[in-house]
Amino acid sequence: DIQMTQSPSTLSASVGDRVTITCRASQSISSWLAWYQQKPGKAPKLLIYKASSLESGVPSRFSGSGSGTEFTLTISSLQPDDFATYYCQQYNSYPCSFGQGTKLEIK
Amino acid sequence: EVQLVESGGGLVQPGGSLRLSCAASGFTFSSYSMNWVRQAPGKGLEWVSYISSSSSTIYYADSVKGRFTISRDNAKNSLYLQMNSLRAEDTAVYYCARPKLWFGESPLGYWGQGTLVTVSS
Repeated sequence: DIQMTQSPSTLSASVGDRVTITCRASQSISSWLAWYQQKPGKAPKLLIYKASSLESGVPSRFSGSGSGTEFTLTISSLQPDDFATYYCQQYNSYPCSFGQGTKLEIK
Repeated sequence: EVQLVESGGGLVQPGGSLRLSCAASGFTFSSYSMNWVRQAPGKGLEWVSYISSSSSTIYYADSVKGRFTISRDNAKNSLYLQMNSLRAEDTAVYYCARPKLWFGESPLGYWGQGTLVTVSS
């Protein structure tokens, strides 16, 4: 089974900051990597798929990169609505697996 | 508009059973594989089970294998999760989720609102 490891677990930042979250896969997953945003009490929302493709309706300040085993999610200029928990997920093979999450907090 | 509505959650004693349902609308249900994903209180997301569009392929997480059964009824546009021998560690919000695409490798593009399962005596 493929293990996904995210870092950091918690990230404190301010509005306007540029932030990066990293996700590592235990083996190559090509570009079959998605990023989700989740707010308290809500279902996850797809942000990025195929490592770098922006889901329709998602602001362009979100971007993804990487392939193989190393991936990043970057938010270019944090907005108040972006403070949430972010998860990566590999869908290269089943069982699909999620990272443990990164909670983005207001500094 | 794609809609996924889960139901059937509640309080159950350890060792008990529960059947979750997910009613789908706004798309051709029979064309899509489906998944269940859960989230324990204050914890991260855990994939639980997958079923292909025709039910010919099914996968389970090791944590539920042999206890949970996924199924679907394409005529009723419904997805199910039969949960037996429930344990305290199965306490979670259970989401049904549809892939973004009906073919090939696809992330989970649509999620229901979730239904809470609490296993406690």
